[in-house]
Amino acid sequence: QVQLVQSEAELKEPGASVRVSCKASGYTFTSNYDINWVRQAAGQGLEWMGWMNPNTGNTGSADKFEGRVSLTRDVSTSTAFMELTNLKSEDSAVYYCARGRFDTWGQGTQVIVSS
Amino acid sequence: SSELTQDPRVSVALGQTVTITCRGAILRYFSAAWYQQKPGQAPVLVMSPKNSRPSGIPDRFSGSDSVTTATLTITGARADDEGDYYCNSRDTSGSHPRWVFGGGTKLTVL
Repeated sequence: QVQLVQSEAELKEPGASVRVSCKASGYTFTSNYDINWVRQAAGQGLEWMGWMNPNTGNTGSADKFEGRVSLTRDVSTSTAFMELTNLKSEDSAVYYCARGRFDTWGQGTQVIVSS
Repeated sequence: SSELTQDPRVSVALGQTVTITCRGAILRYFSAAWYQQKPGQAPVLVMSPKNSRPSGIPDRFSGSDSVTTATLTITGARADDEGDYYCNSRDTSGSHPRWVFGGGTKLTVL
């Protein structure tokens, strides 16, 4: 079955960067499904961050994250990556990857930003 | 506006019918999808765009669209239907397209 498995939780200091991975299985990674990234702060709603086309590597992001988020992939391992730089305490959240029109989600990766 | 608006809380008696609504101008151009999220879990797609129910989702879930409003209906609500529900659509009005989520509706089954 289609599955997205994300990397483990991270604890980072303010100003650092975090890289979250999302390994896809059960379908062809480079087929016609983008990988989207969504985050959710504690007790809050879902916030879309950006998308990546695994076939072309093309990406786009929400204005809020422009210049701070980098979306990449490794086709050989069917893995997508989201890197967020210059972390602030407000970036503490659960980060999800999701396929295409969000039909399949990863289990989430908790990122805590604290000194 | 390119936002999606949902009622924060909705409740329903066990076995009754409940509707959850999502309003936004962008729904005029791009059909909504709906997601259910339970505490500590990732969201799950319960209604695809144009009101297509994904495999494994019970037929007590149905959807409808009306210009700038999308509605998710649960007929014969069960205790297991409690959770947060989010709608989602696409905003193509800006310099580049973006996905938008509603603020979420917390459903309580009484």
